[in-house]
Amino acid sequence: DAGVIQSPRHEVTEMGQEVTLRCKPISGHNSLFWYRQTMMRGLELLIYFNNNVPIDDSGMPEDRFSAKMPNASFSTLKIQPSEPRDSAVYFCASSLRGHSSNQPQHFGDGTRLSIL
Amino acid sequence: RKEVEQDPGPFNVPEGATVAFNCTYSNSASQSFFWYRQDCRKEPKLLMSVYSSGNEDGRFTAQLNRASQYISLLIRDSKLSDSATYLCVVSRAAGNKLTFGGGTRVLVKP
Repeated sequence: DAGVIQSPRHEVTEMGQEVTLRCKPISGHNSLFWYRQTMMRGLELLIYFNNNVPIDDSGMPEDRFSAKMPNASFSTLKIQPSEPRDSAVYFCASSLRGHSSNQPQHFGDGTRLSIL
Repeated sequence: RKEVEQDPGPFNVPEGATVAFNCTYSNSASQSFFWYRQDCRKEPKLLMSVYSSGNEDGRFTAQLNRASQYISLLIRDSKLSDSATYLCVVSRAAGNKLTFGGGTRVLVKP
């Protein structure tokens, strides 16, 4: 079975450049989550979608970050302009949205982002 | 205070020994609980859900104490392959976001 697919796996770019991270959730999953992980702050939820609609973006650091989910099988996380402090591993995860309890999330391999 | 707190470790465990560690959560309205495992430079993966009555999956046993607001994970007969970071995860309500703890690092040594 295909899991959550993220691209690119690695991205190195200079500060000020636009960065776009991509995610394809597991087919049939209706919730999608974007996380950022660093040594200092651990795993932080940036934003999540239910049925392609953004539900909670309170974790998005600032206006330089934006996320979209144009359809059930694709989402992007964009950083413009990028800064060195954005360097981290960015994970996308998907799950089935349960009615009475939360379903576990399945993570992609992550995008390792380095901003020089 | 963080919503989910874990001892970062590392817990150094001899192969074959038993290790247990806890996670505390601050929101009494939390409803769903999980343990995830994350290997170095890999993505988190679900290890097991945690049920109110406690549950076991092979060598792994999870317990939930709602009164004291903590969950625990016990690993019996530790294997070298159990070396990883174990992430405690809680959620307040159905359809809501999951909150991850900082993780407890376990190192199993021969």
